[in-house]
Amino acid sequence: NAGVTQTPKFQVLKTGQSMTLQCAQDMNHEYMSWYRQDPGMGLRLIHYSVGAGITDQGEVPNGYNVSRSTTEDFPLRLLSAAPSQTSVYFCASSYSARENNQPQHFGDGTRLSIL
Amino acid sequence: KNQVEQSPQSLIILEGKNCTLQCNYTVSPFSNLRWYKQDTGRGPVSLTIMTFSENTKSNGRYTATLDADTKQSSLHITASQLSDSASYICVVRPANAGNNRKLIWGLGTSLAVNP
Repeated sequence: NAGVTQTPKFQVLKTGQSMTLQCAQDMNHEYMSWYRQDPGMGLRLIHYSVGAGITDQGEVPNGYNVSRSTTEDFPLRLLSAAPSQTSVYFCASSYSARENNQPQHFGDGTRLSIL
Repeated sequence: KNQVEQSPQSLIILEGKNCTLQCNYTVSPFSNLRWYKQDTGRGPVSLTIMTFSENTKSNGRYTATLDADTKQSSLHITASQLSDSASYICVVRPANAGNNRKLIWGLGTSLAVNP
């Protein structure tokens, strides 16, 4: 099993451009989420999904959109990139949205720079 | 305000030595406390998950302890290996996190194991 796969691994954008960060998991997990990791800060939740067709906002959702058309895929869209969105983005999944004690499985991240 | 604080910020040890990392939290009530290992350039990997009623949990050479009364957790690494060089992150799930799964992430302890 590949686990959680994120593409691309690196990306440089200009301010105002849009792009989609891809995330796919092959573990049939219900719950998927997007985080950003910035120096001096803990991981912050952007958006999450408890199943196909269901998404909701996390802690820092502004400037990002998500959709969950299938169980496997959970893309993150930057609508109009801003330098403040320069970060490392991680996608994570876990087996059940209802079980509190499930570990999250993370992808290896997308390193995004906005110029 | 819910917080998770880790110490030390960084640590250097020699291969084969033991070490203990600390996590203090103010989250109350909480559902579980997690330790993750994050290698440079990779996503976090779950080491242990302890509920509020558990005192200790092991995963190979990693042993986590939890004292819910003092709101402290520790991660003990036995017989360290070069591959243990990583950031170790403490994460607490509030009991009232509800459906937004808002975990409280610490900033991590950066461990370097030298030969």
